[in-house]
Amino acid sequence: GAVVSQHPSRVICKSGTSVKIECRSLDFQATTMFWYRQFPKQSLMLMATSNEGSKATYEQGVEKDKFLINHASLTLSTLTVTSAHPEDSSFYICSASSGDYEQYFGPGTRLTVT
Amino acid sequence: RKEVEQDPGPFNVPEGATVAFNCTYSNSASQSFFWYRQDCRKEPKLLMSVYSSGNEDGRFTAQLNRASQYISLLIRDSKLSDSATYLCVVNVGGKSTFGDGTTLTVKP
Repeated sequence: GAVVSQHPSRVICKSGTSVKIECRSLDFQATTMFWYRQFPKQSLMLMATSNEGSKATYEQGVEKDKFLINHASLTLSTLTVTSAHPEDSSFYICSASSGDYEQYFGPGTRLTVT
Repeated sequence: RKEVEQDPGPFNVPEGATVAFNCTYSNSASQSFFWYRQDCRKEPKLLMSVYSSGNEDGRFTAQLNRASQYISLLIRDSKLSDSATYLCVVNVGGKSTFGDGTTLTVKP
């Protein structure tokens, strides 16, 4: 199956700093990438949808100025958590789609803000 | 009401048992349906797509009832390795909505 990578897999940062998470589709071109957040014992919550070369579409309640998404190429999307706070600590997962309904998930990034 | 609702679980079953999970969705325009499996602290992995005609993959059988907006997953002859959280996923216009998941623990 298609492979999606995420980097870093785990990051610990101090409150007030920014963190960038990369999502790459390794063996296919991803026209659409999705960013999810998952808190413990909860399901995945879609944060935003990004299409290559255009602005991301954010879900209701997700601050676009806090969670900056860039989808500059068909194989790379980045999520930057700006001015991170402890409540932003979560498991962030990206997924990529080549246009059909199937999504391929990255391994996730565990963010801890101290 | 949530867009996708699943049995709350958890399900604790002995090895060899048959277990069924249910899922309902609220958007009648939903186009495609999936079951994903998520192990603890890992990303979700596609288990199987769900079709109106029903589909089977080894010990796993998925059913879709569009009229009732209902999806099911049946696992036969449960193995210890089936222990995981099973997520019902409904897709509308390329956007996926996940259920909260049902946790299955298979015990020896």
